[in-house]
Amino acid sequence: AQKITQTQPGMFVQEKEAVTLDCTYDTSDPSYGLFWYKQPSSGEMIFLIYQGSYDQQNATEGRYSLNFQKARKSANLVISASQLGDSAMYFCAMREGFSGYSTLTFGKGTMLLVSP
Amino acid sequence: EAGVTQFPSHSVIEKGQTVTLRCDPISGHDNLYWYRRVMGKEIKFLLHFVKESKQDESGMPNNRFLAERTGGTYSTLKVQPAELEDSGVYFCASSQKLSGSDTQYFGPGTRLTVL
Repeated sequence: AQKITQTQPGMFVQEKEAVTLDCTYDTSDPSYGLFWYKQPSSGEMIFLIYQGSYDQQNATEGRYSLNFQKARKSANLVISASQLGDSAMYFCAMREGFSGYSTLTFGKGTMLLVSP
Repeated sequence: EAGVTQFPSHSVIEKGQTVTLRCDPISGHDNLYWYRRVMGKEIKFLLHFVKESKQDESGMPNNRFLAERTGGTYSTLKVQPAELEDSGVYFCASSQKLSGSDTQYFGPGTRLTVL
């Protein structure tokens, strides 16, 4: 079974609008962390935001916020005020357990295109 | 501070040849990971080093893949002999500490094409 599901292969948004990228996860471990990475056309993977399973508040980093709904097992990324430079592939990932020895499991990614 | 670097950025080889990929982690990061993304599929874990020791190599596809991290600094991933299905992008990542919130920082990847 898929541990990380990103149902949107592609998303389009106009500049300055907000966009939500969906991510659902599946785990029976009560301790886990959720990560979002951005991969622009240049290829590098850029860390955006992290949410721990015990965090009480939704994570925010600048224009990025994570809409964490634990009961629904969803961790959607919200990008506010989209910019042309936000056009990229976005990956949701999960680490199960807090030992640090467990590795990241990735979703298939969502390609975001921001138009002027 | 320099990020994770990988060399080469691209490699095109013929089936049966050998290729060696290199990763230089962020200075001071004990943890080094290798991942691979085959076209159209998810990024998959290959293995994890803690310093020079292999902590987890459960993702290595077969014994044609050999990873080393001598001295606990840079790492190499050798594919010998390469097969067509080895084509993909190989990512290296590093992290500083072992905890749930520990962030893995990725390199730009090496795109391997096996003809």
